[in-house]
Amino acid sequence: GAGVSQTPSNKVTEKGKYVELRCDPISGHTALYWYRQSLGQGPEFLIYFQGTGAADDSGLPNDRFFAVRPEGSVSTLKIQRTERGDSAVYLCASSWGQGTHNEQFFGPGTRLTVL
Amino acid sequence: QKEVEQNSGPLSVPEGAIASLNCTYSDRGSQSFFWYRQYSGKSPELIMFIYSNGDKEDGRFTAQLNKASQYVSLLIRDSQPSDSATYLCAVNTGTYKYIFGTGTRLKVLA
Repeated sequence: GAGVSQTPSNKVTEKGKYVELRCDPISGHTALYWYRQSLGQGPEFLIYFQGTGAADDSGLPNDRFFAVRPEGSVSTLKIQRTERGDSAVYLCASSWGQGTHNEQFFGPGTRLTVL
Repeated sequence: QKEVEQNSGPLSVPEGAIASLNCTYSDRGSQSFFWYRQYSGKSPELIMFIYSNGDKEDGRFTAQLNKASQYVSLLIRDSQPSDSATYLCAVNTGTYKYIFGTGTRLKVLA
């Protein structure tokens, strides 16, 4: 079966531009996570969706970052007025639910480069 | 103190040896613990998880958990060059949230 997919795989943009990153989770997975991973670091939590609602967006760095999941499946991470410090790999993961033993399946990530 | 700590490495072991990777965590309420392998330029993939004190074995991999000492380890027996990767420890604090360590880079020398 299909895993988690993310598009685009690479995105190069200029400082100040707006970008959208898309995540398509495994079918039937209700939980969806966005992480950001910088070089030499582990994934850093950004936001968690259970169904359509953002249950926890405490990891979003500031109000330039926003994410939606309108139909409880595909999610889009939106970054306004990009800055060079936003350059990182953005990972999406999904799981069956929010139980403590639920395995997260990661997508291949989107590498964002802000020039 | 970071919530989940790992030695960044690199940890170098000869082929066929046992690689021992360690992780400590700060939240005593943490309930489950995950080990991910991440090859350079790829996304993390789950190796195994553990939530009870003691050992859990899966093929060449053994996870060990000691909640009293707040550490979890991963042993890789008969290490192969293909095991060379970064190993990430992740801790679930009892809800939906997973906290990742920075990872330990493992190099298995042929």
